[in-house]
Amino acid sequence: AAGVIQSPRHLIKEKRETATLKCYPIPRHDTVYWYQQGPGQDPQFLISFYEKMQSDKGSIPDRFSAQQFSDYHSELNMSSLELGDSALYFCASSLGWPLGEQYFGPGTRLTVT
Amino acid sequence: AQKITQTQPGMFVQEKEAVTLDCTYDTSDPSYGLFWYKQPSSGEMIFLIYQGSYDQQNATEGRYSLNFQKARKSANLVISASQLGDSAMYFCAMREDRPTGNQFYFGTGTSLTVIP
Repeated sequence: AAGVIQSPRHLIKEKRETATLKCYPIPRHDTVYWYQQGPGQDPQFLISFYEKMQSDKGSIPDRFSAQQFSDYHSELNMSSLELGDSALYFCASSLGWPLGEQYFGPGTRLTVT
Repeated sequence: AQKITQTQPGMFVQEKEAVTLDCTYDTSDPSYGLFWYKQPSSGEMIFLIYQGSYDQQNATEGRYSLNFQKARKSANLVISASQLGDSAMYFCAMREDRPTGNQFYFGTGTSLTVIP
């Protein structure tokens, strides 16, 4: 069965650079969620989209932005990167309705040096 | 207040035994969903089981079952017949369903080690 696809899987950037992470949800899933997981921590919800509209916002820094496109894929744009942004970034997808299971992608490991 | 509480930072279980991982949650919303995920050392987040707040029966998926006690706001994960490959971090999570959108919360996780 098709799963959530994330690219790239690994990314190394320097401080103050920008990064773009991509997420392709499971086919027919219309809702995408972004999470940040620091080393040894639980995932923190950043932002979600339903039918290409932002549906909820968590602890996403102002330096980050995201959008969902017409084909339902989503991109997380991160600017002015800081060392503390080094983390595993997960994308997850689900059906907006009926509400149910949420599946995660393999994650993008971002390292900021 | 913590939305999701997992009080067991680490657990050990003998291979082939059953183990219960605890999870309590805090919400005043009538509609919500409860999830369990497994995260092995490789880092991926693997969906295990889901329980909706209006579901009458406890969810089961193979060796995983969710002991949903709504009045006590608990959603414990039971793994039967533990296998060595079950050694991983386990996260309990909750989705609050609101007209303005859904918020997701994770617990701090329980590290499970299966002993041969």
